[in-house]
Amino acid sequence: GENVEQHPSTLSVQEGDSAVIKCTYSDSASNYFPWYKQELGKRPQLIIDIRSNVGEKKDQRIAVTLNKTAKHFSLHITETQPEDSAVYFCAAPVDRGSTLGRLYFGRGTQLTVWP
Amino acid sequence: NAGVTQTPKFQVLKTGQSMTLQCAQDMNHNSMYWYRQDPGMGLRLIYYSASEGTTDKGEVPNGYNVSRLNKREFSLRLESAAPSQTSVYFCASRTSGRASNTGELFFGEGSRLTVL
Repeated sequence: GENVEQHPSTLSVQEGDSAVIKCTYSDSASNYFPWYKQELGKRPQLIIDIRSNVGEKKDQRIAVTLNKTAKHFSLHITETQPEDSAVYFCAAPVDRGSTLGRLYFGRGTQLTVWP
Repeated sequence: NAGVTQTPKFQVLKTGQSMTLQCAQDMNHNSMYWYRQDPGMGLRLIYYSASEGTTDKGEVPNGYNVSRLNKREFSLRLESAAPSQTSVYFCASRTSGRASNTGELFFGEGSRLTVL
């Protein structure tokens, strides 16, 4: 099955700096890579996703890049703000070639943005 | 639209007791999921249901059973609770097939279970 590794487990940055979180996956057939944000005491929510036919996707201050050869993908947050403080999870599908089957998550990154 | 609703929100059990976590979604989604969340371990998939009438194991299925009662409801049962099952449980759903562009998972609010 899929093995999703996420680093770092904790990340502290100053407000206005950039934050980068990286994930690696094991199944070369994986084709869909979402990122979820979970604020303290809340449910996880999708913030951005990328499919394997695209190398980069941006949405305002967040972006995701994908390197299929190396089997890793990264979340980039620019101009960080205190409200970006949360746990971020990457994920990848387990079922070969399926975008919408089982999804395995990384262990999460606790991002803290200091004012 | 309530989205994904799960009950109960909190539950304390003694070792060996049984209980069922209920989950319902009103978004007409085909796929439903049960995850558990433990500190430092992320979200781990317990069971998954691709559609009504089908279920499949995830990463950590031992000690759990599931029932996809109909398209809306997907329940998780602990037959004989153990302290290792102390966790926060999340139900989630998403659509499947060509109708979806993103495959976004919609989560419930979570159920905090403590087994003494």
